[in-house]
Amino acid sequence: GENVEQHPSTLSVQEGDSAVIKCTYSDSASNYFPWYKQELGKRPQLIIDIRSNVGEKKDQRIAVTLNKTAKHFSLHITETQPEDSAVYFCAASPSGGSNYKLTFGKGTLLTVNP
Amino acid sequence: GAGVSQSPSNKVTEKGKDVELRCDPISGHTALYWYRQSLGQGLEFLIYFQGNSAPDKSGLPSDRFSAERTGGSVSTLTIQRTQQEDSAVYLCASSAGQGPGNTIYFGEGSWLTVV
Repeated sequence: GENVEQHPSTLSVQEGDSAVIKCTYSDSASNYFPWYKQELGKRPQLIIDIRSNVGEKKDQRIAVTLNKTAKHFSLHITETQPEDSAVYFCAASPSGGSNYKLTFGKGTLLTVNP
Repeated sequence: GAGVSQSPSNKVTEKGKDVELRCDPISGHTALYWYRQSLGQGLEFLIYFQGNSAPDKSGLPSDRFSAERTGGSVSTLTIQRTQQEDSAVYLCASSAGQGPGNTIYFGEGSWLTVV
């Protein structure tokens, strides 16, 4: 089955700096890659996703890049703010374009210091 | 409802007892998922429902775990003879259908502690 590795497990940055979180996946048939943000005690919420027919997607301060050849994708957050502090999870769908069974990475605890 | 609703939000149970966790998906969502979140382990897939049927229950860790969904809506995850290693947050999620473009929305989770 699909295996998703996520790095780093913890990341601390100063407010205004950029943060990058990287994930690799094992199943070359995966073609949907969402990122979820989970604040302490809250539910995971989708912040951005990318499909395999594009290499990059941006939404304001957040961007995701995908390299299908290397089977890795990354989350980039620019101009970080304290409210960006949370656990971020990457995920991949196993095959066939179906997202019914997302396989998640183990998460990255991002701390933005004011 | 406005979002995925789960109950109870917190449950403390004695080892060996049975527990039931409930999930109300977003109205109209045909797909429903259960995940388990343990400290430092990310989100572990348990089972997926499409309507009332479960095409994929491969993530259920043992035969002590079962789930059902009735009326294409509410789902119940049952854990029999609970063990301490069952302690985790159990997250339910739903989506309007399968495939990219059908965002998976999570509930707040049910925090289970087995003592």
